[in-house]
Amino acid sequence: AQSVTQPDIHITVSEGASLELRCNYSYGATPYLFWYVQSPGQGLQLLLKYFSGDTLVQGIKGFEAEFKRSQSSFNLRKPSVHWSDAAEYFCAVGSFYNQGGKLIFGQGTELSVKP
Amino acid sequence: DTGVSQNPRHKITKRGQNVTFRCDPISEHNRLYWYRQTLGQGPEFLTYFQNEAQLEKSRLLSDRFSAERPKGSFSTLEIQRTEQGDSAMYLCASAWGSGYNSPLHFGNGTRLTVT
Repeated sequence: AQSVTQPDIHITVSEGASLELRCNYSYGATPYLFWYVQSPGQGLQLLLKYFSGDTLVQGIKGFEAEFKRSQSSFNLRKPSVHWSDAAEYFCAVGSFYNQGGKLIFGQGTELSVKP
Repeated sequence: DTGVSQNPRHKITKRGQNVTFRCDPISEHNRLYWYRQTLGQGPEFLTYFQNEAQLEKSRLLSDRFSAERPKGSFSTLEIQRTEQGDSAMYLCASAWGSGYNSPLHFGNGTRLTVT
């Protein structure tokens, strides 16, 4: 069965510091991977997606993620965190074999930013 | 693109009552999804429509839950005889096309509290 693991429930970084949020997936076929961000009381906003091709993908708000098939990982990175990045981040996996493009989400990583 | 709209934003109900939520997807999107999100967890898939056809339902969707999408436009999710365990954020998402690689666009959700 497909699954997504985000090992870090909560991360705190200082403003201006770099950030890496971890995501590991379990899926037998080619996955399609996504990162979403959710502010309190809001829906999910798509940050970036990977379908194929270049394994380093750029997203909105200065985020990027790298797909590593050998490690079954899709970690999210940002070189310099801003206070407004404080939110919950979700990694998700989809697949051609998921009927209609259903996504499976990880449990999320809550990011706090220290001034 | 006015985004995915969900109403109401908040609903408080007493145990045993019926509730109905509405989702208006992005106008040209033919795929529509319902997810449930409890505190500290990622969204869990409930059901999926392509146009007016409900193509997949999760085991999470007990017989007290029913979803419709008449005419392939807006969708409703009804919960009958609500239980305290139904308290959650209910998220709607929509996407375009029949492929697996078009990302889901989420609404801001309906937060249900069952007292």
